[in-house]
Amino acid sequence: EADIYQTPRYLVIGTGKKITLECSQTMGHDKMYWYQQDPGMELHLIHYSYGVNSTEKGDLSSESTVSRIRTEHFPLTLESARPSHTSQYLCASSLHGQGADTQYFGPGTRLTVL
Amino acid sequence: AQSVAQPEDQVNVAEGNPLTVKCTYSVSGNPYLFWYVQYPNRGLQFLLKYITGDNLVKGSYGFEAEFNKSQTSFHLKKPSALVSDSALYFCAVNNMDTGRRALTFGSGTRLQVQP
Repeated sequence: EADIYQTPRYLVIGTGKKITLECSQTMGHDKMYWYQQDPGMELHLIHYSYGVNSTEKGDLSSESTVSRIRTEHFPLTLESARPSHTSQYLCASSLHGQGADTQYFGPGTRLTVL
Repeated sequence: AQSVAQPEDQVNVAEGNPLTVKCTYSVSGNPYLFWYVQYPNRGLQFLLKYITGDNLVKGSYGFEAEFNKSQTSFHLKKPSALVSDSALYFCAVNNMDTGRRALTFGSGTRLQVQP
């Protein structure tokens, strides 16, 4: 098992609330990623980071934002949650971010917005 | 652009029988190829990857995959399926030459192993 953690595991929240999904890894990896996955379906990259103070948007447009102030921490924030944000969010990390690097995934956060 | 196709939404196999989960890819250049498994309410677990060298790659839990460049395929196999292998399997690709920032995943194949 990889040492990458996500909290909360499940979150049910009302429309308009601000939420932050936490992701931490203790492997000293430079690269971190956020994926969005609808139930039983493929993953789409929404954010990634090559290191501290480096973040970029992924392939799938998302209203969420991320920050990378510390190497081990890569939180995702939604300023105003909407039902369309209901999904599973998976965080991952890799050592260098080169093509051959294995990405290690956290357990995910299942978000439901009412 | 790079892409991955998993042509089967679901594969059903009896316990003890061999299993194959299919994957084909498209990249401009040489590929890095990965297989991940996802159990219910869990994140993805890495199974194996192909970088270069031997076309037959062995991974965790008795799984293996064969890289076939001419057919642009990377099928996942196991000689004898277990009920506990029932899960969602994802194939993924990255481009060796351009070092794209992240993996491109297929749509996933649900493996159901019947006792």
